[in-house]
Amino acid sequence: GAVVSQHPSRVICKSGTSVKIECRSLDFQATTMFWYRQFPKQSLMLMATSNEGSKATYEQGVEKDKFLINHASLTLSTLTVTSAHPEDSSFYICSARDRDRFYGYTFGSGTRLTVV
Amino acid sequence: DQQVKQNSPSLSVQEGRISILNCDYTNSMFDYFLWYKKYPAEGPTFLISISSIKDKNEDGRFTVFLNKSAKHLSLHIVPSQPGDSAVYFCAASLDGGSQGNLIFGKGTKLSVKP
Repeated sequence: GAVVSQHPSRVICKSGTSVKIECRSLDFQATTMFWYRQFPKQSLMLMATSNEGSKATYEQGVEKDKFLINHASLTLSTLTVTSAHPEDSSFYICSARDRDRFYGYTFGSGTRLTVV
Repeated sequence: DQQVKQNSPSLSVQEGRISILNCDYTNSMFDYFLWYKKYPAEGPTFLISISSIKDKNEDGRFTVFLNKSAKHLSLHIVPSQPGDSAVYFCAASLDGGSQGNLIFGKGTKLSVKP
């Protein structure tokens, strides 16, 4: 089945530094990938939609200059949290849809970001 | 305001019995609903979905029921197995599920006891 690999699974960084999270579709092509964030005891919230070869579409309230998304190929999207602050500490997860499947988005395993 | 609500944060069921997970929504424009299962330290896994034009979809031990008038859907698992223990997320879509803008509930943690 479709597999999405997300790295790293956990990262601890100092306040003010940047962190890059990678999301790869391993056995299918994903023209679109999605980035979600989940705070403790909250829902998964869509942050942005990443489109291969074009600019990402950000949800309202999500700072595009802070959360840089690059979708350079059909199998790779990256999310960079720039100048991270403790309030950015969260669980970040990506998903992608196999073009050959109408429904059912395959999720990565998520990245637990802790900013100290 | 949360558009998709899973009011029960947890549910405990005996092995072999039926598990019923509930989900309520407020936006009548939602046209596609999905259920995901999530184990600790893993991403959500797609389980089953239903279009708003249907009221039931069944796949093996899993059945999803949709009551549009009540804006309510439920996931039935029967018989429940210990391996079903996980967090279950209900998600809704405004575009037939095609664009990925899924709106999730907070999840319900299901524990199936042997």
